[in-house]
Amino acid sequence: QVQLVESGGGVIQPGASLRLSCAASGFIFKDYGMHWVRQAPGKGLEWVAFIRFDGSNKYYADSVKGRITISRDNSKNTLWLQMNTLRPEDTAVYYCAKDPCRRGAGDCSLDFWGQGTLVIVSS
Amino acid sequence: SYVLTQPPSVSVAPGQTARITCGGNNIGSRRVHWYQQQPGQAPVMVVYDDSDRPSGIPERFSGSNSGNTATLTISRVEVGDEADYYCQVWDSSSVHQVFGTGTKVTVL
Repeated sequence: QVQLVESGGGVIQPGASLRLSCAASGFIFKDYGMHWVRQAPGKGLEWVAFIRFDGSNKYYADSVKGRITISRDNSKNTLWLQMNTLRPEDTAVYYCAKDPCRRGAGDCSLDFWGQGTLVIVSS
Repeated sequence: SYVLTQPPSVSVAPGQTARITCGGNNIGSRRVHWYQQQPGQAPVMVVYDDSDRPSGIPERFSGSNSGNTATLTISRVEVGDEADYYCQVWDSSSVHQVFGTGTKVTVL
């Protein structure tokens, strides 16, 4: 069965950097695009970023563009989110999620989600 | 950027039908997906491509999409359906995924 396990969250000071990881199993990771989605406390879902199956295309939400980088290593079945210059408004649970469309362009649904990792940006 | 609007809350009695709307400009021309999020849990997809159900999702969950409104319908509502629900589409002009504002379903 598909499993997505995020890690790397924690309490971090404004302006610092953090890298989140998502370990994938139960499917052929190298064939599927992946997303990051976040949810601030008590708020709705906000899409953050997408990376195509082979890393050839990456898309970012306007709110994080220039500060966040999505990447993947298909040999390690791992997805990352590098977050720089963190702000208090980046405080959220960060979910990785799988795109169901094999070798797709990122325009499908998000069929499986991890349990999320909490990032708190505070001094 | 493309905006999806949902009612903040919907209340329904057990056994009745809940309808959750998702409004967007000409949303009928897009594929709409729906997610259920129980308190403290990750979202789970309940409908994709307007009206298809993933494996394991009860037939009580159905979707439709036309004009400027997509609708998630939950028939014969159960206490366990109490959750937040989000619609989602792909916006090709911005190459962004877009989520709706979310609807809290309360089972009375």
